[in-house]
Amino acid sequence: DAGVIQSPRHEVTEMGQEVTLRCKPISGHDYLFWYRQTMMRGLELLIYFNNNVPIDDSGMPEDRFSAKMPNASFSTLKIQPSEPRDSAVYFCASSRKGEYSGNTIYFGEGSWLTVV
Amino acid sequence: DQQVKQNSPSLSVQEGRISILNCDYTNSMFDYFLWYKKYPAEGPTFLISISSIKDKNEDGRFTVFLNKSAKHLSLHIVPSQPGDSAVYFCAFADTGNQFYFGTGTSLTVIP
Repeated sequence: DAGVIQSPRHEVTEMGQEVTLRCKPISGHDYLFWYRQTMMRGLELLIYFNNNVPIDDSGMPEDRFSAKMPNASFSTLKIQPSEPRDSAVYFCASSRKGEYSGNTIYFGEGSWLTVV
Repeated sequence: DQQVKQNSPSLSVQEGRISILNCDYTNSMFDYFLWYKKYPAEGPTFLISISSIKDKNEDGRFTVFLNKSAKHLSLHIVPSQPGDSAVYFCAFADTGNQFYFGTGTSLTVIP
């Protein structure tokens, strides 16, 4: 079975440019999470969706960040305009509704973003 | 506010010895507790978990301990192996299926 698929794996962009990160969750999973990994805050939850609906976006750092989930198999995280402090690894993860077990949250391999 | 704290950013242990990783939390509504392991250039993967009704769960070389009164979670690895070298994140789940992660502890097992 395919896991959570993220693209691009690596992105280097100039400050001020728009960045779009993509995610395909595991089929049948109806929760989707976007995390950002930083040294200071570890794995920081940015936003999560349930059945394609954003449930909690309180972790989104500012208006430059936006996320969408147009259907059950695709989500995007967009940064516009990007800034050097946005440089981090962004992880997408998915899980199955009603299953509380931790082993049902699966992560993608991450998108490494560098803003210069 | 950080609801989850891993106060040791790094830990070095000799091969064959015990590795103990610790985590503290503040939210008493958490009722499921997990450890994830992360190798460089990979996403975190699930390692072991424990529900709030237990105080210990064991899986091979890995044991997780939960002290609810102290709001403290720990992971013991015995014996430690070089392949265990990775970053370990503790995580907590609330009733809304939201997962909160710590900042991670980088474990190095020295051969």
